[in-house]
Amino acid sequence: RKEVEQDPGPFNVPEGATVAFNCTYSNSASQSFFWYRQDCRKEPKLLMSVYSSGNEDGRFTAQLNRASQYISLLIRDSKLSDSATYLCVVNLGDRDNYGQNFVFGPGTRLSVLP
Amino acid sequence: EAQVTQNPRYLITVTGKKLTVTCSQNMNHEYMSWYRQDPGLGLRQIYYSMNVEVTDKGDVPEGYKVSRKEKRNFPLILESPSPNQTSLYFCASRAGRVQPQHFGDGTRLSIL
Repeated sequence: RKEVEQDPGPFNVPEGATVAFNCTYSNSASQSFFWYRQDCRKEPKLLMSVYSSGNEDGRFTAQLNRASQYISLLIRDSKLSDSATYLCVVNLGDRDNYGQNFVFGPGTRLSVLP
Repeated sequence: EAQVTQNPRYLITVTGKKLTVTCSQNMNHEYMSWYRQDPGLGLRQIYYSMNVEVTDKGDVPEGYKVSRKEKRNFPLILESPSPNQTSLYFCASRAGRVQPQHFGDGTRLSIL
């Protein structure tokens, strides 16, 4: 089983739609969670951290379910500019070497259509 | 402005010709990493560093070297590049063990 898995996508949605991405992780000791967006051939950019109580930033809502080991990202009223690949990133918790902590999911591509 | 700076942004070179991709961050971050991104394989960590003079291998270290002589710089060295190292490379830094990563703009390497 892969350490971090995401919806395979791609998602093609009309402008104004609500879209949800899911991500599952394998290590129950994981400590921190993030959503990044990546535009084609550009660097990943932090979209939001994901907190245990869930958090919202404008049209974006992130939720964490530790019991089921999944993270979600909800985008409301999607815009053309939301078209990108969304990466789930998990800090898998303590290991012998801290640098190996961060694992990126494969990403889910979103296309918002006019 | 807080940033991670990579150079060069693009490079086309030939097999066996040593090259270095520089990475510099101005945020005083302790942790720095190098990733490569290939279609269908996602982001894979090459090397990382937890502080000055502390480096270790990531998931795909073969064919690469790094050094961390100063906190702000973390160059990636390809001693004898080969075509299978053609890829998009990203440098990243973060303030602490559980903090998010900040990425450079990327370096697109083509090894002929």
